[in-house]
Amino acid sequence: GAGVSQTPSNKVTEKGKYVELRCDPISGHTALYWYRQSLGQGPEFLIYFQGTGAADDSGLPNDRFFAVRPEGSVSTLKIQRTERGDSAVYLCASSRSGGSSTDTQYFGPGTRLTVL
Amino acid sequence: EDKVVQSPLSLVVHEGDTVTLNCSYEVTNFRSLLWYKQEKKAPTFLFMLTSSGIEKKSGRLSSILDKKELFSILNITATQTGDSAVYLCAYTNSNSGYALNFGKGTSLLVTP
Repeated sequence: GAGVSQTPSNKVTEKGKYVELRCDPISGHTALYWYRQSLGQGPEFLIYFQGTGAADDSGLPNDRFFAVRPEGSVSTLKIQRTERGDSAVYLCASSRSGGSSTDTQYFGPGTRLTVL
Repeated sequence: EDKVVQSPLSLVVHEGDTVTLNCSYEVTNFRSLLWYKQEKKAPTFLFMLTSSGIEKKSGRLSSILDKKELFSILNITATQTGDSAVYLCAYTNSNSGYALNFGKGTSLLVTP
């Protein structure tokens, strides 16, 4: 597609449930990033993929969060045993090659996760 | 601790006004400073400023980076209602050159 797409656009779940958030990067982009944005805050880095591997997952808040990118394109962010504090907009971005501060990141529209 | 601080947090102007948004930074091993515009959800890229490119311009928008005083400004002239958005400033450094580290943003409302 022309841009980064994310599904679903909105997800409402109950505390303790498992959720999966999907990201389709721009075709041909090897680098993919996940960010989380809480209300009134800027996006916060979670994890960065270069190809199929997670090059840096230092931003994941705890072991309930996990992300995969098995074929180097689509990525899924997985959250186990969701908590109310996980409620936020989860943004995905991709860039052409990654690993460089001059490589422009293009963001998707995000998934708004609400944990009741 | 590395950080960027944006000011003001919110701003209301009339169509046609000129606005200046500020982003001050304290960053070790600084690489670049970026501006994004966020309407609804997806941040869209505006400018990237580095040591080798401290001034950028695109239409009514322009930005400069002051490496001595450690700040950047985003200037919007002849504002339009479509400029209403949250403007985010972010830095990268050599510690994690790919991760964008964002400020809280400035919420701009342009009234007719």
